[in-house]
Amino acid sequence: ELKVEQNPLFLSMQEGKNYTIYCNYSTTSDRLYWYRQDPGKSLESLFVLLSNGAVKQEGRLMASLDTKARLSTLHITAAVHDLSATYFCAVERNNNDMRFGAGTRLTVKP
Amino acid sequence: GAVVSQHPSRVICKSGTSVKIECRSLDFQATTMFWYRQFPKQSLMLMATSNEGSKATYEQGVEKDKFLINHASLTLSTLTVTSAHPEDSSFYICSALSGWTGNTIYFGEGSWLTVV
Repeated sequence: ELKVEQNPLFLSMQEGKNYTIYCNYSTTSDRLYWYRQDPGKSLESLFVLLSNGAVKQEGRLMASLDTKARLSTLHITAAVHDLSATYFCAVERNNNDMRFGAGTRLTVKP
Repeated sequence: GAVVSQHPSRVICKSGTSVKIECRSLDFQATTMFWYRQFPKQSLMLMATSNEGSKATYEQGVEKDKFLINHASLTLSTLTVTSAHPEDSSFYICSALSGWTGNTIYFGEGSWLTVV
């Protein structure tokens, strides 16, 4: 069964610092997703990674995928308070449903 | 862009009653929709896969007689929580698969259910 492990689960950062969130998964998959969730809200799609070596960047966030290592990373550059949220990685299974990681609750402090 | 709408966004019901949550794809047809449940401060867990015109496929441990799913059209799936109990209080999120945009998955805004 597909398992998705995300770490860290909690991350407290100072503004301006960099950090990386990791997402490991147990079986091969075609697609890996990163989502942001604000309290009380649904998911906001950040990135879809489709192939080995894929790298996508949007603002201060950059996601990468290594399908051989079954690892994706979400790198945060020069964090700002507005990035405070919970970040989920999710792996799409063959039947298009998703297995989610446990989530990383990010707090960016001034 | 494609939008998936859920209704209601928040609902409070009494224990023992049933409540229906709708998931609509607004500008595309979705032969497949998914229902997830998220308890506070936890991740999303897949409950069931809803296929238009056929029975839903439930994940292990999800009671199909309690969580009734109907996908009667290509734009609408409904989740009915029957005989609701306080432990059913949760955030329910649906997603819909759009074949028009390369099998892209879109999530709804979610529905907060509180059972009192």
